[in-house]
Amino acid sequence: AQKVTQAQTEISVVEKEDVTLDCVYETRDTTYYLFWYKQPPSGELVFLIRRNSFDEQNEISGRYSWNFQKSTSSFNFTITASQVVDSAVYFCALSERSDSWGKLQFGAGTQVVVTP
Amino acid sequence: EAQVTQNPRYLITVTGKKLTVTCSQNMNHEYMSWYRQDPGLGLRQIYYSMNVEVTDKGDVPEGYKVSRKEKRNFPLILESPSPNQTSLYFCASSLSNTEQFFGPGTRLTVL
Repeated sequence: AQKVTQAQTEISVVEKEDVTLDCVYETRDTTYYLFWYKQPPSGELVFLIRRNSFDEQNEISGRYSWNFQKSTSSFNFTITASQVVDSAVYFCALSERSDSWGKLQFGAGTQVVVTP
Repeated sequence: EAQVTQNPRYLITVTGKKLTVTCSQNMNHEYMSWYRQDPGLGLRQIYYSMNVEVTDKGDVPEGYKVSRKEKRNFPLILESPSPNQTSLYFCASSLSNTEQFFGPGTRLTVL
């Protein structure tokens, strides 16, 4: 069963628009970590953020922000004032304590296309 | 420079010809993993290892073997590759529950 769902396959925006990527996860663990990774057209995987299940504070890093809501099992990612360099595939992922942190389960990814 | 290296980066082979993709990390990480990436499916974990001589199956282990004889190396072995194993493969390493560091990827084509 898919534990991480990214329902948006592709989002297209014009530069300077905001874009929000949804991530819904499923777990029975009370202790877990959530991650976001970026995969630009060059193909490498770039770590963006890690959030543990006990920390529901929203986080902002420059133009990036994350909204973690345990009540809805969501960990959404917003890019403010998007730029062409934000064009990439973005993955949400889940790691659970019950797997001794060995398993990392990814969503299918959301392709973001930013046009000038 | 802290990094995960994979070799080869590109490989075209034929059905049934055994191959090994190497993975090495220089960060002294306990955890290492192999993933495959296919369009529309994201990354799926094949095998992972939490330490030397400790390996476990991920979500898609069929057709693959791994070994972890040294902390820094985690090779992926395809004993009899088939066309459905054509994919982009990533190796990764991490400390326990921290972020994973990924290698550059190996694009495998099985004819």
